[in-house]
Amino acid sequence: GENVEQHPSTLSVQEGDSAVIKCTYSDSASNYFPWYKQELGKRPQLIIDIRSNVGEKKDQRIAVTLNKTAKHFSLHITETQPEDSAVYFCAATRGTGNQFYFGTGTSLTVIP
Amino acid sequence: GAVVSQHPSRVICKSGTSVKIECRSLDFQATTMFWYRQFPKKSLMLMATSNEGSKATYEQGVEKDKFLINHASLTLSTLTVTSAHPEDSSFYICSAGTGGAFSNQPQHFGDGTRLSIL
Repeated sequence: GENVEQHPSTLSVQEGDSAVIKCTYSDSASNYFPWYKQELGKRPQLIIDIRSNVGEKKDQRIAVTLNKTAKHFSLHITETQPEDSAVYFCAATRGTGNQFYFGTGTSLTVIP
Repeated sequence: GAVVSQHPSRVICKSGTSVKIECRSLDFQATTMFWYRQFPKKSLMLMATSNEGSKATYEQGVEKDKFLINHASLTLSTLTVTSAHPEDSSFYICSAGTGGAFSNQPQHFGDGTRLSIL
C-alpha cells in the first residue's frame, strides 16, 4: 500500500515568514494530493489540493508543488499569520472512493 | 456544498455501554464513507471503509465485532462502539467524498466525536 511521510513534525516561524512542509509518497499510482488544516478539536479542512497532471497550484498565500518523478509534494505558506497556526496533514490517494493515506502531520506555530 | 454532519459531538459514558455515532452526507450521496480514529497530537488512523449496501472493510488490527459499521443508505453511515472501555476513548471522525472511485475529489470530514469512557 501507499506510505506517506511528512516533515517536519513541528515548525515554528515568525509572523510574515514563509513555511514549507514536505511529503513523500511511495505509490506511483497515486494521482490526487490534498492538504488539510486541523485546528485543535476541530475537523480537518481542505486548504488546497493538486492532481497529478499539474506541477504547481497556488491560492493566495498557499501553494502546493508536485514532483511526480521524485514522488514528493510540498505545501508553501507565505506571509504567515498567527491564524495559520494549526496541524497540517498531507494525503495521497488513487481517487476519492479509495483510501486517503495521511502523513503524520506538522504542527505549525506562527509567532506574532 | 459537500457538508458532512456527524453526531454526537461528544459522548461521556460508563464502561460497558455501547455508543452509536452517525455520519451523514447532507447535500450529496456517498457510496463510500471512511471512519478514522485520532489520538491526541497524532494523525488520522483509518479504521474502516464503509460501503453502502455491503459489508465494511476493516483495516488490520481493528476489531469488526467491536466497531460495528452500517451503511444503510447513500447518505448515512453509523459506527457503533460496542461494550466500550476506557481504552476506546478517542476522537472518532468520518469522511465522505462527492465523486466516484477515481474522480479525484477531496474527502470532506465530519466534526468528529469525542468519546470518553469512564
